[in-house]
Amino acid sequence: QKEVEQNSGPLSVPEGAIASLNCTYSDRGSQSFFWYRQYSGKSPELIMSIYSNGDKEDGRFTAQLNKASQYVSLLIRDSQPSDSATYLCAVNYNYNTDKLIFGTGTRLQVFP
Amino acid sequence: DAGITQSPRHKVTETGTPVTLRCHQTENHRYMYWYRQDPGHGLRLIHYSYGVKDTDKGEVSDGYSVSRSKTEDFLLTLESATSSQTSVYFCAISEKRNTEAFFGQGTRLTVV
Repeated sequence: QKEVEQNSGPLSVPEGAIASLNCTYSDRGSQSFFWYRQYSGKSPELIMSIYSNGDKEDGRFTAQLNKASQYVSLLIRDSQPSDSATYLCAVNYNYNTDKLIFGTGTRLQVFP
Repeated sequence: DAGITQSPRHKVTETGTPVTLRCHQTENHRYMYWYRQDPGHGLRLIHYSYGVKDTDKGEVSDGYSVSRSKTEDFLLTLESATSSQTSVYFCAISEKRNTEAFFGQGTRLTVV
């Protein structure tokens, strides 16, 4: 089983809609969770971090964490064509290590 | 933007030659990471460092070595480059354990 799993997509949504991106992880001891956005040919850019169960909102972005289900999600409200990118989920495994492990990413396409 | 510089940005090298990639940071962050990114595989951790002279292996460390003699520099060496090491390499830094990481611009390496 992969440590961090994401659906590769593409996820296509119309402009103005809510895009929902999902990620599951295998290690129950994980403490820190991150969402990155990566445009084609560019480096990953941090958009959200979440450390405790529940929702965390930042502008049009909401991260949701459910440690019991080992599930973290990202909601993008009022999606724009400029949101079209690959979204990477990352998990910090801290059982005697400092590894930051990424999923393979979900490609999001927002069409006008 | 976090002060991270990767060099070189692009390199073409021949099979069997050693190659060293450099990551330089001006943020005085403790943690540094090397990842490779390939289509269908996402970001995979090669090696990471949790302090000067303190390093550990990631998911795909075979054929790679690292060194960190100063806080600001983290070197990745391909001991004898192979075509399978053709990839985009990213360096990332993190201030503390379990906190967000910030990425450099990436190095595109082609082994012919």
